[in-house]
Amino acid sequence: DIQLTQSPSTLSASVGARVTITCRASQNINTELAWYQQKPGKAPKLLIFDSSILESGVPSRFTGSGSGTEFTLTITSLQADDFATYYCQQYTRYSYTFGQGTKLEIK
Amino acid sequence: QVFLVESGGGVVQPGRSLTLSCAASGFRFSNYGMHWVRQAPGKGLEWVAVIAFDGSNRYYLDSVKGRFTISRDNSNDTLFLQMNSLTTEDTAVYYCAKRLTTSGTDVFDVWGHGTMVTVSS
Repeated sequence: DIQLTQSPSTLSASVGARVTITCRASQNINTELAWYQQKPGKAPKLLIFDSSILESGVPSRFTGSGSGTEFTLTITSLQADDFATYYCQQYTRYSYTFGQGTKLEIK
Repeated sequence: QVFLVESGGGVVQPGRSLTLSCAASGFRFSNYGMHWVRQAPGKGLEWVAVIAFDGSNRYYLDSVKGRFTISRDNSNDTLFLQMNSLTTEDTAVYYCAKRLTTSGTDVFDVWGHGTMVTVSS
């Protein structure tokens, strides 16, 4: 099974800051990686798929990049609404795993 | 608007069974693969099962193989998850989720609100 490791597990930042979350895969997944945002008590929300494609309606301050085994999610100019937990997810054929999550907290 | 609404969760004793339902609306349900994803209290997301648009293929998380069955009723736009031989490890919020595209990229663009399953004696 493909494992995904996110870092850091927790990230403290201020409104207006730029942050980067990393997701490493245990084997090559090409660009079959997505990012989700989840707020407490709510379902996850798709942000980015195929490593770098922004889902419709997601603000352009979210960007994704990477291929193979290393991927990043960058949020520029953090807004109050962005403080949440972020998960990466790989979707190689009929195998789906999530990273353990990165909690983005207000500093 | 696209909606997914889960139901059927509750408290169940270890070893017993439970069936979850997910009612879909706002899109052509019969065109899309569908998934179940769960989240144990305070933990991360864990994919559980997927079913093809026509029910022809189904895949499962290893730990639920042989115990859980995913199915669908395209006539009534409903997804199911039958869960047998439940253990405390199955305690979680269960979400149904829609595949983004009819083919190709298999990520989850629409999620239900989730239904809580608690396995406890």
